[in-house]
Amino acid sequence: DTGVSQNPRHKITKRGQNVTFRCDPISEHNRLYWYRQTLGQGPEFLTYFQNEAQLEKSRLLSDRFSAERPKGSFSTLEIQRTEQGDSAMYLCASSPPANTDTQYFGPGTRLTVL
Amino acid sequence: GESVGLHLPTLSVQEGDNSIINCAYSNSASDYFIWYKQESGKGPQFIIDIRSNMDKRQGQRVTVLLNKTVKHLSLQIAATQPGDSAVYFCAERMDSSYKLIFGSGTRLLVRP
Repeated sequence: DTGVSQNPRHKITKRGQNVTFRCDPISEHNRLYWYRQTLGQGPEFLTYFQNEAQLEKSRLLSDRFSAERPKGSFSTLEIQRTEQGDSAMYLCASSPPANTDTQYFGPGTRLTVL
Repeated sequence: GESVGLHLPTLSVQEGDNSIINCAYSNSASDYFIWYKQESGKGPQFIIDIRSNMDKRQGQRVTVLLNKTVKHLSLQIAATQPGDSAVYFCAERMDSSYKLIFGSGTRLLVRP
């Protein structure tokens, strides 16, 4: 499978715990994006990386959220001290250098905070 | 499986008919528009896109129309098939940002 991959696919955690999600973009895609989607809504932008540089962040990304892409390949999204309102689908997308318009999404990580 | 959208507008069409899904976008300065299809439990899947200097673009069985005067985008699916059943989202972006802004989705149900 050469698409965007995300792990884990599902995560159940208790309120107050920290969680970390991983995204592996399509090979040679230098741009990587994180979005959050709640039931019945379209995805909402969280943050964007070009190579290892984080170039754009949403105000949705509170100080409990941190994203990294240390080597310009895979990325991690960490949520500290999770709250029930963090329950959502976390989606990762990537774009190639030759076509920066189209974002290709992964299957997402479904987070449930109890 | 989980549901992508519980209270979305729904378009029900007969298999073989053409479908038209509409979207009103918010920013007259947007430069780029894209349609995604999302099935339950899956991430959004790219269908077709269009830049603001065009008013129509065709793909395989799909056509996107852009009317910048009234900030309206539509997705036409020809000869709709059961596999087209999903939630469809439009999204917009300005060239000054890589952030896609998604509209509210539309659920397409294809009756056999």
